[in-house]
Amino acid sequence: AQSVSQHNHHVILSEAASLELGCNYSYGGTVNLFWYVQYPGQHLQLLLKYFSGDPLVKGIKGFEAEFIKSKFSFNLRKPSVQWSDTAEYFCAVRSNFGNEKLTFGTGTRLTIIP
Amino acid sequence: KAGVTQTPRYLIKTRGQQVTLSCSPISGHRSVSWYQQTPGQGLQFLFEYFSETQRNKGNFPGRFSGRQFSNSRSEMNVSTLELGDSALYLCASSLNRDGILAKNIQYFGAGTRLSVL
Repeated sequence: AQSVSQHNHHVILSEAASLELGCNYSYGGTVNLFWYVQYPGQHLQLLLKYFSGDPLVKGIKGFEAEFIKSKFSFNLRKPSVQWSDTAEYFCAVRSNFGNEKLTFGTGTRLTIIP
Repeated sequence: KAGVTQTPRYLIKTRGQQVTLSCSPISGHRSVSWYQQTPGQGLQFLFEYFSETQRNKGNFPGRFSGRQFSNSRSEMNVSTLELGDSALYLCASSLNRDGILAKNIQYFGAGTRLSVL
């Protein structure tokens, strides 16, 4: 069975600080990987995704993530955060065949202090 | 193009009642998935429908059921409600052209918040 671990439950940063949120998954086959963001009062939105190819993927709003297959990791990064990045961030994994089921991590709440 | 629409946005029910939630996917999307979001358990997969067929089901009791119509709209039903069913129920749709999974992205609706008293 697939599982996703997000070890940082709540991260507090000042504006302009660099961000890295950890995501590790457990699955024996080929996977697709996603980061979703949920801003306060809004619905889940896709930040970025990895299907294949270049393991460094870029998403919206300056976010990027690196897929390291040997470490089963897909960490999210941003060089300089803004107050508007305050949100909850979810890492998700899906097997590369079969069906659409996404397995989510428990989420990381990010608070940016102006 | 309109996004995923879920109705109603809020529901209050009492234990033992049943409830039906509705989801209209993005136009042209053929796959609909449902998730339950709670503070304790996070986002948990309920089921996925494609072409009116349930393609996968999560680890939820049989009180949770769903269906998909020929226009891809989907409903989920919870019977004999329990206090623990209080949650945000999210619907997601994806294009899933020809049933091929590769490079599909799920787009989420705003959810239906269910409170069971």
